[in-house]
Amino acid sequence: GDSVTQMEGPVTLSEEACLTINCTYTATGYPSLFWYVQYPGEGLQLLLKATKADDKGSNKGFEATYRKETTSFHLEKGSVQVSDSAVYFCALSEDTGFQKLVFGTGTRLLVSP
Amino acid sequence: DVKVTQSSRYLVKRTGEKVFLECVQDMDHENMFWYRQDPGLGLRLIYFSYDVKMKEKGDIPEGYSVSREKKERFSLILESASTNQTSMYLCASSVRGGNQPQHFGDGTRLSIL
Repeated sequence: GDSVTQMEGPVTLSEEACLTINCTYTATGYPSLFWYVQYPGEGLQLLLKATKADDKGSNKGFEATYRKETTSFHLEKGSVQVSDSAVYFCALSEDTGFQKLVFGTGTRLLVSP
Repeated sequence: DVKVTQSSRYLVKRTGEKVFLECVQDMDHENMFWYRQDPGLGLRLIYFSYDVKMKEKGDIPEGYSVSREKKERFSLILESASTNQTSMYLCASSVRGGNQPQHFGDGTRLSIL
């Protein structure tokens, strides 16, 4: 079945450092890929998405490129802020109409001043 | 703005009790979902519904049931609560088709004593 693997955390960075959170996937078809973010005490929010190979999703300074050849969708940001501290989830969805998501286990990011 | 509301943020129940978790969305979405979130396991799909009175099992349906009598409301039922059902429960909704994102509630942290 479909699966998503993302790097274990926590990832600890100083403010203004560069961020990369790795995500790879296994899927039978051509899934859409998502990054969700969960701030403390809240539910998940969509951060960005890409629906086909070579698409780049971007939002709030975060970017991720859909790489079909390496089955990857790594999350990057050039300069993190303390307010980026959260748990980040990579997910995929096969286009079955039901929008079922398969999630990775999440990566906690801690940014210190 | 999109809104998914879960009836309780925190809930404490005893083993053997029948427990109801309620979720309401105000976006006229066709699809609704229940997940549980556990450390190191990410989000796992319990049940989903693609229309009123329709339901489909997710990856971990054992010990749970659901009800969708109205389009905006999706209830998760623990028939006889057990301690291994202590978890964070997240509800989500989405439109049907087109790889649209899911919108999440803030979660219910359920403790079974």
